[in-house]
Amino acid sequence: AQTVTQSQPEMSVQEAETVTLSCTYDTSENNYYLFWYKQPPSRQMILVIRQEAYKQQNATENRFSVNFQKAAKSFSLKISDSQLGDTAMYFCAFASGTYKYIFGTGTRLKVLA
Amino acid sequence: EPEVTQTPSHQVTQMGQEVILRCVPISNHLYFYWYRQILGQKVEFLVSFYNNEISEKSEIFDDQFSVERPDGSNFTLKIRSTKLEDSAMYFCATRQANTEAFFGQGTRLTVV
Repeated sequence: AQTVTQSQPEMSVQEAETVTLSCTYDTSENNYYLFWYKQPPSRQMILVIRQEAYKQQNATENRFSVNFQKAAKSFSLKISDSQLGDTAMYFCAFASGTYKYIFGTGTRLKVLA
Repeated sequence: EPEVTQTPSHQVTQMGQEVILRCVPISNHLYFYWYRQILGQKVEFLVSFYNNEISEKSEIFDDQFSVERPDGSNFTLKIRSTKLEDSAMYFCATRQANTEAFFGQGTRLTVV
């Protein structure tokens, strides 16, 4: 069975600084997808970034980028130039071909002014 | 931009009552999912639905739960006899073939 582990329950970062959120996963599959979702206080799930396992190049979306290490089964999220609006819960998620999502327990990120 | 729409946004119900949570998928999406998030916990898979039948369900999805697409557009989750522990945020997600899922904004269910 697949598992997703986020070992940082809470993190804080100063505005304009860079922060990295960690995520590891376990799977025996070779083709899969990884995601980072942002959940603000409204509790809506907002897709931040996705990565296909077959792609070696790390995904980037503006200030958000990932460090995908397939052999190590690691998928960290880097947020550059942190903004107050980035304050939220961040969930790492895994999906295989059926796209059933397995979520981690989340990291609560607080951006400090 | 098309989006998945869930109604109601918040539902309060008496323990033992039946509730129906509704989801309107993005129009050309064929795969549907329900997830649950108890306050302060992670998001958990409940059920997936394709071609008018359940594809997969979790241990949480017991006999008190059911899903259907009654009119070919809405996708519903029914909880037959609600319990206090059913209080959670329920997310609908839908997708096309071979794409990621799009999540609705969620329905907050409070059982009192």
